[in-house]
Amino acid sequence: DADVTQTPRNRITKTGKRIMLECSQTKGHDRMYWYRQDPGLGLRLIYYSFDVKDINKGEISDGYSVSRQAQAKFSLSLESAIPNQTALYFCATSDLSGGPETQYFGPGTRLLVL
Amino acid sequence: KNEVEQSPQNLTAQEGEFITINCSYSVGISALHWLQQHPGGGIVSLFMLSSGKKKHGRLIATINIQEKHSSLHITASHPRDSAVYICAVASGTYKYIFGTGTRLKVLA
Repeated sequence: DADVTQTPRNRITKTGKRIMLECSQTKGHDRMYWYRQDPGLGLRLIYYSFDVKDINKGEISDGYSVSRQAQAKFSLSLESAIPNQTALYFCATSDLSGGPETQYFGPGTRLLVL
Repeated sequence: KNEVEQSPQNLTAQEGEFITINCSYSVGISALHWLQQHPGGGIVSLFMLSSGKKKHGRLIATINIQEKHSSLHITASHPRDSAVYICAVASGTYKYIFGTGTRLKVLA
């Protein structure tokens, strides 16, 4: 089984709808991240969490919110989806045990906002 | 100007060719990562480098800290190597800065 899972894998929604993307991990890592990927751009950080009580905005957090329900779960919400939020979304986890950080990515969620 | 620049953006090679993908960065880093993104979208980590050179199978990654430059080499390329290769630098305790990727296509 995959260490980092994302649901759904694909989602089509309409402008104005609220949607939630979920991420679960079995790696036991404290740190979790949400990124979005757009054609021609590198991955950009939306939110990150270093533990259950720690939530931080990334470089493009406007229009998004997150919830860290448990060490293993980190959800991303779009309160009112808009077309320019159409993108590929990745969850990632990491820890710092033993040296420089390595991030482990989920399979991605492809979101289309009509 | 992006803090992480990759070249080339697109690369088509014939099976068996030696391939080089380059990454230059302009920030201080604690480590540099090479990632592979398959056509289905999933991302896997290939290498993490903070100095020198690493080799895994047909893949070789090098980094020159003084010149702020890294290269990913693929020897004896194969169509299954077709993917997007992403350079990412770890800057600070959590922050990754990603390049825009190099799309590689290896023809049989």
